[in-house]
Amino acid sequence: NAGVTQTPKFRILKIGQSMTLQCAQDMNHNYMYWYRQDPGMGLKLIYYSVGAGITDKGEVPNGYNVSRSTTEDFPLRLELAAPSQTSVYFCASTFTGATNEQFFGPGTRLTVL
Amino acid sequence: QKEVEQNSGPLSVPEGAIASLNCTYSDRGSQSFFWYRQYSGKSPELIMSIYSNGDKEDGRFTAQLNKASQYVSLLIRDSQPSDSATYLCAVNRGYSTLTFGKGTMLLVSP
Repeated sequence: NAGVTQTPKFRILKIGQSMTLQCAQDMNHNYMYWYRQDPGMGLKLIYYSVGAGITDKGEVPNGYNVSRSTTEDFPLRLELAAPSQTSVYFCASTFTGATNEQFFGPGTRLTVL
Repeated sequence: QKEVEQNSGPLSVPEGAIASLNCTYSDRGSQSFFWYRQYSGKSPELIMSIYSNGDKEDGRFTAQLNKASQYVSLLIRDSQPSDSATYLCAVNRGYSTLTFGKGTMLLVSP
């Protein structure tokens, strides 16, 4: 099992550019999550999905979009990148929601200049 | 309104000592509580989960939960330099998501 994988590991964007952060898991987990982590801060939930075709907003969804067409994949789309989106992005997954361990990917470090 | 509060630290302890990390939460309906460890530049990994009042022990780690006081703690016995990391407290928000605290940085000196 590869667990949760994320690509790319690092990316530098210019203001106004768009990109998609990829996340995949091979554990057949229903629940998937996108978090951002700013220096010295905890994890802030951006979007989550409870299964293929179902997504919902977290605490900080503005400026992002997601889709979940398969159980395995949960890409995060940044439209019109802004410096405030400079952060480390983590994808996570779990089998049964908020009662079990979330498994995290290695993260994507994004800088918007 | 902050939902999960942790002292940001750093908490400095000598090698072999007990490290005590604390977390308070605001949602009285919370049922699931987690401690994650995050090394610098790495992703969080689960250390302990606890669901009932009382203590839960796993090796050198003990999680303590007091729902009446809305308080959860993590004790690390015989602290090692390799325990130096940021410890994140997480509490369930409904059935699907977790709310994370900002984390407490632990420094264990040899």
